[in-house]
Amino acid sequence: DAGVIQSPRHEVTEMGQEVTLRCKPISGHDYLFWYRQTMMRGLELLIYFNNNVPIDDSGMPEDRFSAKMPNASFSTLKIQPSEPRDSAVYFCASRPTHSGANVLTFGAGSRLTVL
Amino acid sequence: AQKVTQAQTEISVVEKEDVTLDCVYETRDTTYYLFWYKQPPSGELVFLIRRNSFDEQNEISGRYSWNFQKSTSSFNFTITASQVVDSAVYFCALSEVSGTYKYIFGTGTRLKVLA
Repeated sequence: DAGVIQSPRHEVTEMGQEVTLRCKPISGHDYLFWYRQTMMRGLELLIYFNNNVPIDDSGMPEDRFSAKMPNASFSTLKIQPSEPRDSAVYFCASRPTHSGANVLTFGAGSRLTVL
Repeated sequence: AQKVTQAQTEISVVEKEDVTLDCVYETRDTTYYLFWYKQPPSGELVFLIRRNSFDEQNEISGRYSWNFQKSTSSFNFTITASQVVDSAVYFCALSEVSGTYKYIFGTGTRLKVLA
């Protein structure tokens, strides 16, 4: 199993540009989570999906952030327009449905720098 | 509301010393899961252990051991005979069993093991 795959690993962009982060969850995992990690706020849950449907997006900072999951094997997190305060590491994580395996597997993260 | 507190921001020890990382949690749920994750300098989040609220047995895995005490809402992590490779940020997390299954992470403890 290749694990949770995120791309790009590093992204440097200028303020105002659109940023798209991508995630491929582990096959068979029905839940997908997007987290953001910063020094100031630690690990924050942004949004999560179950069976491709967004369940809770209360952690999405503002309308500049959007996330989609068009199918079971792909999700995107988009920031438009980006701002310097969006600089962070964005993690995608997935897990299977059955409650006995409530363990999140994280991707390697996408480090975003907005200049 | 659920909350996880890791009061130790940073700990430094000399190699071969034992070290305990503290985790205190708050929840109104009677059933929940607790986790520890390791984030080495490379940045990925690595799952270490899961414990459900019905199982208060302590667990040992090599040099790692975990002490779960429901009476004090604590789930502490001890590394015996620490090694330089143990240097990382360690996160404690709490998850509901039903409903959202969201993880709530603590702010992490940075462990530095000096040679």
